[in-house]
Amino acid sequence: DTAVSQTPKYLVTQMGNDKSIKCEQNLGHDTMYWYKQDSKKFLKIMFSYNNKELIINETVPNRFSPKSPDKAHLNLHINSLELGDSAVYFCASSTGTGDAETQYFGPGTRLLVL
Amino acid sequence: GQNIDQPTEMTATEGAIVQINCTYQTSGFNGLFWYQQHAGEAPTFLSYNVLDGLEEKGRFSSFLSRSKGYSYLLLKELQMKDSASYLCAGMDSNYQLIWGAGTKLIIKP
Repeated sequence: DTAVSQTPKYLVTQMGNDKSIKCEQNLGHDTMYWYKQDSKKFLKIMFSYNNKELIINETVPNRFSPKSPDKAHLNLHINSLELGDSAVYFCASSTGTGDAETQYFGPGTRLLVL
Repeated sequence: GQNIDQPTEMTATEGAIVQINCTYQTSGFNGLFWYQQHAGEAPTFLSYNVLDGLEEKGRFSSFLSRSKGYSYLLLKELQMKDSASYLCAGMDSNYQLIWGAGTKLIIKP
């Protein structure tokens, strides 16, 4: 069974569209994350979320919004897509105990905005 | 500011040993992680150091010096499947990971 799964794996869309990426974890973790990995391979944290707190990276445009229907899911909704949004988006999860924790990553969603 | 530095690319020979260095500057420190990322795949956890010294795990070892803001990942008996990017990440006082850009390791026969 896949621990952290994401759909879709590939997403090609036009500028200006709105799209969502879904993430699910079956590890029983309390904290989930969204990362963006650009062409230079830097992983940049976008959001971290548990059932208590949403932490937003201030550099993330408000076109990006996380939505969590329950603690096993953290979806990423993107409005008005721009060319610069093209990247690989990784979802991750950790136990959420508040200590230094290992993060487990999903397979990534490769977004290409045309 | 917070920063992680590691070499962009390294080349090594199958069966040899390679050391990948990482220097870090974080606001507070809650440990140093190493992840492996094969091309087109997700990062996977390799090691975590929070105390000074060497942690050995099979063919992979990781070292930390907090006073120097320095870590390295040591890979022994290199295999072709070890060709990947190795990401160094420091955890700051808010338990957020600050990531390096990764070191692409190329293994030659």
